[in-house]
Amino acid sequence: GQQVMQIPQYQHVQEGEDFTTYCNSSTTLSNIQWYKQRPGGHPVFLIQLVKSGEVKKQKRLTFQFGEAKKNSSLHITATQTTDVGTYFCAGHGEYGNKLVFGAGTILRVKS
Amino acid sequence: KAGVTQTPRYLIKTRGQQVTLSCSPISGHRSVSWYQQTPGQGLQFLFEYFSETQRNKGNFPGRFSGRQFSNSRSEMNVSTLELGDSALYLCASRRTGDDQPQHFGDGTRLSIL
Repeated sequence: GQQVMQIPQYQHVQEGEDFTTYCNSSTTLSNIQWYKQRPGGHPVFLIQLVKSGEVKKQKRLTFQFGEAKKNSSLHITATQTTDVGTYFCAGHGEYGNKLVFGAGTILRVKS
Repeated sequence: KAGVTQTPRYLIKTRGQQVTLSCSPISGHRSVSWYQQTPGQGLQFLFEYFSETQRNKGNFPGRFSGRQFSNSRSEMNVSTLELGDSALYLCASRRTGDDQPQHFGDGTRLSIL
């Protein structure tokens, strides 16, 4: 079945450093969504990418969808303490309608 | 607009018991999905309901079941509880369409003693 792998599992950065998490699917995706879960909270939708090679930005966050629609990345520029949390990617397969989540990347920011 | 509401927030059970969790989706959302979250395991998909029909099912044993009512509210039941069932159970609702984002509730924290 469809699998979504996410790396790294955990990253601890100094405030002001950049951060990137990567997401890889075993199958081609029709779309990919990114969520953020703050400690003690629930996942909150950030953005969705649909087109091959698509790049979207939200302030310091840059999201990319690979040309083959099998991988994606989230890059945060100049991290802040408010960025702490777990970032999940989730994708719909081309033919299936089940949304499969990656295991998430835990981000800790040291001030 | 009220968000996704899950009850109860916390639950303690013992092995062998059964439990029912409840989820009220955002008004107008007909799709409800359930996820199990444990440390290091991410979000494991349990099942999705749409218009009272199970649309998708994850790889969980038959002890895990669910249903959806005509008002889109959903319940999840776990029978013969095991220690490994201790987890945060999250419910999410979305508008019709696979491109619609999931809106999560705060979850039910289930602890098995």
